[in-house]
Amino acid sequence: DQQVKQNSPSLSVQEGRISILNCDYTNSMFDYFLWYKKYPAEGPTFLISISSIKDKNEDGRFTVFLNKSAKHLSLHIVPSQPGDSAVYFCAASAEGANNLFFGTGTRLTVIP
Amino acid sequence: GAVVSQHPSWVICKSGTSVKIECRSLDFQATTMFWYRQFPKQSLMLMATSNEGSKATYEQGVEKDKFLINHASLTLSTLTVTSAHPEDSSFYICSASFGTGGYGYTFGSGTRLTVV
Repeated sequence: DQQVKQNSPSLSVQEGRISILNCDYTNSMFDYFLWYKKYPAEGPTFLISISSIKDKNEDGRFTVFLNKSAKHLSLHIVPSQPGDSAVYFCAASAEGANNLFFGTGTRLTVIP
Repeated sequence: GAVVSQHPSWVICKSGTSVKIECRSLDFQATTMFWYRQFPKQSLMLMATSNEGSKATYEQGVEKDKFLINHASLTLSTLTVTSAHPEDSSFYICSASFGTGGYGYTFGSGTRLTVV
């Protein structure tokens, strides 16, 4: 049972444009959400997170939006850069739990 | 910042042999470490959660006798793939946590295991 879903396996965007990566979840107990970036043969690196008490968190070019009623979050990258090309994983955790549930990832390709 | 070192980064072994993967937290004490497995084009799947000084908790479908996890200290957890088979070939990643509820996760760099 996939509790965190990323329905787009891949996304291609022109350099300088906005990249929007989407993530849906089913467990209403999730209260903390994270985005990780992963290059091939490397471990994921933390990108940005958001608590369920917020609906937006911004860090430089990266902004995460959370819509709790729709159980949906998205990661916006603007402007997109070729170095952003990687696989992006959405992850979620529930209060008091100490493990993460991951989505299946979206491969972002930023075209120069 | 918190650093998790995972070793080796890649390993090739023969069927039937055992392989040990180490995960170390370098500058913090990790009471909990996690082991994930990633198949090509799939998500990170949690295999087991290990707590220092106690037995690991395995996820459903993960063979505990095949994937031995030891968390003997607050800075070291090991995953041993016993009697490896080609279908065990995968990318294994550890992470360490110094908090709960999604905070304080750091991942190792991963280990590519190829069983021939």
